[in-house]
Amino acid sequence: EAGVAQSPRYKIIEKRQSVAFWCNPISGHATLYWYQQILGQGPKLLIQFQNNGVVDDSQLPKDRFSAERLKGVDSTLKIQPAKLEDSAVYLCASTPGAKGNEQFFGPGTRLTVL
Amino acid sequence: DAKTTQPNSMESNEEEPVHLPCNHSTISGTDYIHWYRQLPSQGPEYVIHGLTSNVNNRMASLAIAEDRKSSTLILHRATLRDAAVYYCILRGYNTNAGKSTFGDGTTLTVKP
Repeated sequence: EAGVAQSPRYKIIEKRQSVAFWCNPISGHATLYWYQQILGQGPKLLIQFQNNGVVDDSQLPKDRFSAERLKGVDSTLKIQPAKLEDSAVYLCASTPGAKGNEQFFGPGTRLTVL
Repeated sequence: DAKTTQPNSMESNEEEPVHLPCNHSTISGTDYIHWYRQLPSQGPEYVIHGLTSNVNNRMASLAIAEDRKSSTLILHRATLRDAAVYYCILRGYNTNAGKSTFGDGTTLTVKP
């Protein structure tokens, strides 16, 4: 069974530029999560999708971050414009349902904002 | 959300058992105790979870205190590949999985 795929693995941009990350969850998993993980800290949930609908985006900085999951499968997370403090690893995870026990995480995208 | 408290770091020698503690004094009756670990440059991976009884799987054992206010993840024989950050989180079975928060975890160093 293929795991959660993310791309790119690394991205370096300058502040005020825009960037997009892509995630393909495990086949059949209805729930998809985006997390931000700053160095030395645990992952923090940014947004959760159930199929193509948003379940929770309370911690998403909506003035600069956006995410979509148009067909209920893969998802993109965008930052526009990026700030220095956005430097972090962005993790995608999926579960079969919203109340599943085991989350499956992708390898993450490491973003550096200069 | 119920919170957990873990030591920032622990050290172990290779091939010795490791006991990673977690305190969760405000746990509710429906909260499961989950453990994830994050190897360097990888996303977190599920290790084990339990409700009241001790649990064993191929990766580890989970010992849960009788009052459920604390638990211990046990690695029976640590290897160098077990060096990782270990997260203890609480997750209600009937609640949104995204609502449970990851703390900063315990960084386990395994010495050869």
